[in-house]
Amino acid sequence: SQQGEEDPQALSIQEGENATMNCSYKTSINNLQWYRQNSGRGLVHLILIRSNEREKHSGRLRVTLDTSKKSSSLLITASRAADTASYFCATANQAGTALIFGKGTTLSVSS
Amino acid sequence: DAGVIQSPRHEVTEMGQEVTLRCKPISGHDYLFWYRQTMMRGLELLIYFNNNVPIDDSGMPEDRFSAKMPNASFSTLKIQPSEPRDSAVYFCASRGRGGAYNEQFFGPGTRLTVL
Repeated sequence: SQQGEEDPQALSIQEGENATMNCSYKTSINNLQWYRQNSGRGLVHLILIRSNEREKHSGRLRVTLDTSKKSSSLLITASRAADTASYFCATANQAGTALIFGKGTTLSVSS
Repeated sequence: DAGVIQSPRHEVTEMGQEVTLRCKPISGHDYLFWYRQTMMRGLELLIYFNNNVPIDDSGMPEDRFSAKMPNASFSTLKIQPSEPRDSAVYFCASRGRGGAYNEQFFGPGTRLTVL
């Protein structure tokens, strides 16, 4: 069963705008990871946030984690057409050895 | 390193045929994962190995699916006999030591079409 659920399912914005995607999960976690998938490609790791962290930055990416609400958000600032992709959140399974992925948010950035 | 390598990239077969998907993980990684991705069900974990040993195969949909990892640099996912509902993109991923804190590296996937 899926642990994470992304919201919205699809998002369309203009270049230069910010994109925010949300992820909710059900059980306690050690960490939460975000991945990107370009059309026809495999997933690529973007960023990992540990359960004792509240916010993390990497370039134009900002991830927040609220363990009390069991939710995370991924913010992409100053979006570019190249950011067009699907974005997935993932949390570890009970054993902490495998990742369970949500269904993803499809982001379209138009120029 | 070339990353995770999967073959073939595309496979078209007829219902009832045997299909074998192949994966070469990143050298030194001790975890290997097989996923299936469809529009309806998203990305599903099928099975994963640690040090060539299957740890959890609860995601394998049916007995028609089997996976092996004879050595640290090679794994196969076999479907016999294949059915149209098996059509999907199958991904292999590997991960180094450190438990779930480590990122997974995905291969490009095999797009399987069963007619």
